[in-house]
Parts: sequence; structure tokens; C-alpha cells
Amino acid sequence: SAVISQKPSRDICQRGTSLTIQCQVDSQVTMMFWYRQQPGQSLTLIATANQGSEATYESGFVIDKFPISRPNLTFSTLTVSNMSPEDSSIYLCSVPGRGKGYTFGSGTRLTVV
Amino acid sequence: SQELEQSPQSLIVQEGKNLTINCTSSKTLYGLYWYKQKYGEGLIFLMMLQKGGEEKSHEKITAKLDEKKQQSSLHITASQPSHAGIYLCGALNAGGTSYGKLTFGQGTILTVHP
Repeated sequence: SAVISQKPSRDICQRGTSLTIQCQVDSQVTMMFWYRQQPGQSLTLIATANQGSEATYESGFVIDKFPISRPNLTFSTLTVSNMSPEDSSIYLCSVPGRGKGYTFGSGTRLTVV
Repeated sequence: SQELEQSPQSLIVQEGKNLTINCTSSKTLYGLYWYKQKYGEGLIFLMMLQKGGEEKSHEKITAKLDEKKQQSSLHITASQPSHAGIYLCGALNAGGTSYGKLTFGQGTILTVHP
């Protein structure tokens, strides 16, 4: 199955600023997914990132707040823009695992102060 | 949209005890995934079930999918402190614009006391 390198692992940010999270996959994948896990909650899908096209956002998530880039089949970034304390969460990227389950990055633990 | 309900929400057991976590879906499951998450970290894939009646085991963990494909259970035999964490079930969304997406249950927090 694929191996994902996700950076940064954690960050503390001032409100009003933006943070860009990166995911690098060791193989080419068509679809990449970005999830948010709020404190004490389960994972919620933010968007699906496809190479060569705009990301598809789930209900409640918008591109202005969570812009996503997918420049090639092994890399994607998620930016959390104009942050507020409510954005404090763990953000995870994921790729399909070729019949062995979806692989997840190690997560980015974001705290907004 | 598909919803998954896990039970119990939390579980505290003594080392060596067996335990079961359940995951019930509002719709037929096309693929059911079990993951383990250590606090604040990423998800570790445990098992994937697709066929009604399917059962898979890895070390001391066994997962089953019922014949109707709407409920799955995760059973841990002779639990150890290393089993502690958050267990999440995830359902693969079928076709259309939802293809490839996972919907997760709310998670079960497992604590194993030595």
C-alpha cells in the first residue's frame, strides 16, 4: 500500500493567519482525500482532490476557506485560511490503498490561538 | 447519506479480557473498514470487509460483516495495553459523486488497564 508523508505534524497558529498542509505520496494516485477531525469527534471529509481539475468540496466546506492544490499525482496541499479557534483540529489526507484499505497520513494537529 | 453508529462510545477493560465493538450502518455496506487511531495521530488500517458473512482475523483482532451487510463487529481477544486507542469503522460510499469516499462512525475509545 502507499506511504504518505504529511507535514507539518503539528502547528500553533495565530487567528487570522493561514496554514498550508502538504501530503506527499510514494506512488501515483488519482484521488486524494482531505479530512478534518475536530476534538473528540470522528473524521469528516472536507474535499476530494483530483489531479488536473478543481477539488470537489463536501457540504459545509468552501474553497475560499480550504483551498486545495493537486499539481501532480503524488502531491497535494490543503490550506486552512483566515483561521479561527474553531479550526483547531487534526487534518488528515488519505489515498485509496489498492484493496488494502485507504492509507492515511500521520495527521497535522492544528491549534489556533 | 450513509450514517454509521458505533457502540459503545467508550470501553474500559482489564488486561486479558475480551471485548467487542459494533458498527451499524443506515444503508447496505459496500465496503467496511476498521481503523485504529492513537491519540492525536493518523489512522492505522486494520481490516476491510466486503462480502456478507465475511470474517477476517489479524493477531488477536477479528472483524465480521453480517449477512445483510449492515452491521460489523470488531472483537479483541485477551486484550493488552497496546490495544488501547480509538477504533473507527468507515464505510465506502458507492457510485456517483460519492465514489471512493469514506464515511466514519464516531469512534470507540478503548482503555485497557494493566
